[in-house]
Amino acid sequence: ILNVEQSPQSLHVQEGDSTNFTCSFPSSNFYALHWYRWETAKSPEALFVMTLNGDEKKKGRISATLNTKEGYSYLYIKGSQPEDSATYLCAGRGGTSYGKLTFGQGTILTVHP
Amino acid sequence: DAGVTQSPTHLIKTRGQQVTLRCSPKSGHDTVSWYQQALGQGPQFIFQYYEEEERQRGNFPDRFSGHQFPNYSSELNVNALLLGDSALYLCASSRGAGTANEKLFFGSGTQLSVL
Repeated sequence: ILNVEQSPQSLHVQEGDSTNFTCSFPSSNFYALHWYRWETAKSPEALFVMTLNGDEKKKGRISATLNTKEGYSYLYIKGSQPEDSATYLCAGRGGTSYGKLTFGQGTILTVHP
Repeated sequence: DAGVTQSPTHLIKTRGQQVTLRCSPKSGHDTVSWYQQALGQGPQFIFQYYEEEERQRGNFPDRFSGHQFPNYSSELNVNALLLGDSALYLCASSRGAGTANEKLFFGSGTQLSVL
């Protein structure tokens, strides 16, 4: 996978709002799509790894969907909390790329109390 | 259970110098990947080591080299440092030869500043 794009670049929401971000990737040669959360002064932490078209994953208030035919994934956060403030990275892996991940530039989420 | 550890945390070097960054993978992991994150960008893949060999390499010059030891720990070496090498260097570990669902575990990174 050569190019992964994320939108928006940054997002400010109020506590309790629900929000979503987009990750776009080339649909050809797709193998897997990863989402990571990166809090300030910490290590990036894996949220989800998805491989199949139509995959939906959920972890608490966070969920993600995958559409490999059109080349996009959505990450949803329901009822945002200040502790959700972080950079959310998506990364794609192509079919012949072993473990190499191609990351997007990330979406910076700030949740205001 | 220790996660991925990287050292040093911060490093300041001058142009032309050489630097070595170190990484110990999470217990039970045998694959180490290195990523460079420049300001405002997502992490960029440098290379991956598995069974002490470089298995895959990103679009980085030969000045970037690495090594994996029998205990699976790894080093990233950068020679002839340039100002543009200033970045956060992340190490990530995983198990096996890159199965589809294998997520990465990251260290906290080494912040390299080249003056």
